[in-house]
Amino acid sequence: DSGVTQTPKHLITATGQRVTLRCSPRSGDLSVYWYQQSLDQGLQFLIQYYNGEERAKGNILERFSAQQFPDLHSELNLSSLELGDSALYFCASSDDRGETQYFGPGTRLLVL
Amino acid sequence: AQSVTQPDIHITVSEGASLELRCNYSYGATPYLFWYVQSPGQGLQLLLKYFSGDTLVQGIKGFEAEFKRSQSSFNLRKPSVHWSDAAEYFCAVAAIFFGNEKLTFGTGTRLTIIP
Repeated sequence: DSGVTQTPKHLITATGQRVTLRCSPRSGDLSVYWYQQSLDQGLQFLIQYYNGEERAKGNILERFSAQQFPDLHSELNLSSLELGDSALYFCASSDDRGETQYFGPGTRLLVL
Repeated sequence: AQSVTQPDIHITVSEGASLELRCNYSYGATPYLFWYVQSPGQGLQLLLKYFSGDTLVQGIKGFEAEFKRSQSSFNLRKPSVHWSDAAEYFCAVAAIFFGNEKLTFGTGTRLTIIP
């Protein structure tokens, strides 16, 4: 158990809908990262937040957004969902030095 | 930009045999290197990491990896695999400076263990 929690574990929704994925980092970790794992793209970095502020952006679609709250949990919002958004979404957290990322169990999203 | 290549998509080994999974990276400076394992339906678990110092690093579950700068490689090894090692293994590289701590992953190597 890495100490990073993600909810829900599974999510099934329809095209055009909007969903919110939640992540709680390890106690004391200020950085939260979001990654997408899909069959065609592999594991790709989406976005990083550090202590409530966006710190780095990767291949994140404009339909996707994230935020980190004062209690350091983070949410990834996916809107206008398409079939191709079906994937496993991972959250990771790291400490102040950002040297090692610890991953949560992931949220498996299926868009029908 | 950093990149990682894992040339073997799928490897099959017998239980008790030795294992080596290959990883080559591309990065201009000294990289931070990681191996993660993903069991079916599970998240990513950190096996080991290399930042600096001794180029042979030990990890959990009996795994080790060797950093070879001249070959831009960070291969993962285990002297004797167990059936429970069947999983997907990902090599990753990070730059670790402000604003660029993201992990860049390889495409993964799926390990199958036969009795």
